[in-house]
Amino acid sequence: QAQLVESGGGLVKPGGSLRLSCTASGFIFTDYYMTWIRQAPGKGLEWLAYITSSGNHFYYAASVEGRVSISRDNAKNSLYLHVNRLGAGDTAVYYCARGFGDSSNGLDVWGRGTTVTVSS
Amino acid sequence: SYELTQAPSVTVSSGQTATIDCSGHTLGDEPVCWYLQKPGQSPVLVIYQDVKRPSGIPERFSASKSGNTATLTITGTQPLDEADYYCQVWDSSAWVFGGGTRLTV
Repeated sequence: QAQLVESGGGLVKPGGSLRLSCTASGFIFTDYYMTWIRQAPGKGLEWLAYITSSGNHFYYAASVEGRVSISRDNAKNSLYLHVNRLGAGDTAVYYCARGFGDSSNGLDVWGRGTTVTVSS
Repeated sequence: SYELTQAPSVTVSSGQTATIDCSGHTLGDEPVCWYLQKPGQSPVLVIYQDVKRPSGIPERFSASKSGNTATLTITGTQPLDEADYYCQVWDSSAWVFGGGTRLTV
């Protein structure tokens, strides 16, 4: 069945950077657009970034634009998120999720998330 | 930025009907999706395109929209339906989530 597995989280010092990965399996990766969404402890869901199935177009949330970069390697069935200048507000569980067609179809498969903790 | 408003919490007795509202000033013009998230788990899509249920989602989950308010309805609510529920739309090239409603059964 379709599965997404995130990795790359951990403890990062303020001002640092990291790259999160999301590996897809069980479906045709190139048929789907992909997104990154995060959830701070005890808080709601916050969308961060979106990339088309081809990887040619992307959008970012205003709250993180300029600090994050989304990319994908379709040959490796992988999605990435680079985050720079990390601060305490970036502490969260980071999820990748897939979507098909247009946004009205929703995000139908989510990974289990990878936890990022920003602390000195 | 666009905002979706949800009540922080809703309480319902087991077997009764739960309704969770989501409001936004142009919600009537945009398809709404709903997700549930149980503690320690990832979100799960339960409604897309305002009213459609993905395969595997029980029929007791339904949704509607009137004006700028979308409503998720759970008929015959079960204790296992206890979760956080989020509405979501696509607006101006961004996914927007409501703040979430905690359903207590």
